[in-house]
Amino acid sequence: QQQVKQSPQSLIVQKGGISIINCAYENTAFDYFPWYQQFPGKGPALLIAIRPDVSEKKEGRFTISFNKSAKQFSLHIMDSQPGDSATYFCAASMKGAQKLVFGQGTRLTINP
Amino acid sequence: DVKVTQSSRYLVKRTGEKVFLECVQDMDHENMFWYRQDPGLGLRLIYFSYDVKMKEKGDIPEGYSVSREKKERFSLILESASTNQTSMYLCASSFRGPYEQYFGPGTRLTVT
Repeated sequence: QQQVKQSPQSLIVQKGGISIINCAYENTAFDYFPWYQQFPGKGPALLIAIRPDVSEKKEGRFTISFNKSAKQFSLHIMDSQPGDSATYFCAASMKGAQKLVFGQGTRLTINP
Repeated sequence: DVKVTQSSRYLVKRTGEKVFLECVQDMDHENMFWYRQDPGLGLRLIYFSYDVKMKEKGDIPEGYSVSREKKERFSLILESASTNQTSMYLCASSFRGPYEQYFGPGTRLTVT
């Protein structure tokens, strides 16, 4: 119940295409869903986050779509660029909790 | 600009050695976290601390201990290193709760 399942494990997209990474969860007490981006040799960094009272949040080319009934959320990267090549992690936490539960990660490669 | 620093980028230790990994943050954050990152397993929480001298077990605390004597410093201790503790170790901090965690660059530990 504490797990967040992320797919795919790796993804290759052409420059200019749309990258889509999916996450699913079971625990309906989760109320905060962030995405982190990690470049090689660096620690992860917060990219964008959403709460379940909205179905979509957009920041530039990055959008989180949230489906509460299906217990799924996804990251969409529009007009994907080679500089977006990185590992992406979804995560979730419960209200009042002090910790995040992370997905398994997706290695995204954008081909020029 | 928040900065989280880790004492070493690479570390090689022998089986049975006691290992100290240190993490320092400069933003007066209340929460600090230790994760390990393994391919296909994502980020798994080892321990976290929400105040000086306070600590809580994460999802995989076995074989590890932690110390937080000062607010800015959080240490991870491997009492007797084993080969299955070979991994990337990431430290993170947040102002409060699990939100907007800032990560250090990581320490790649190899136990031979």
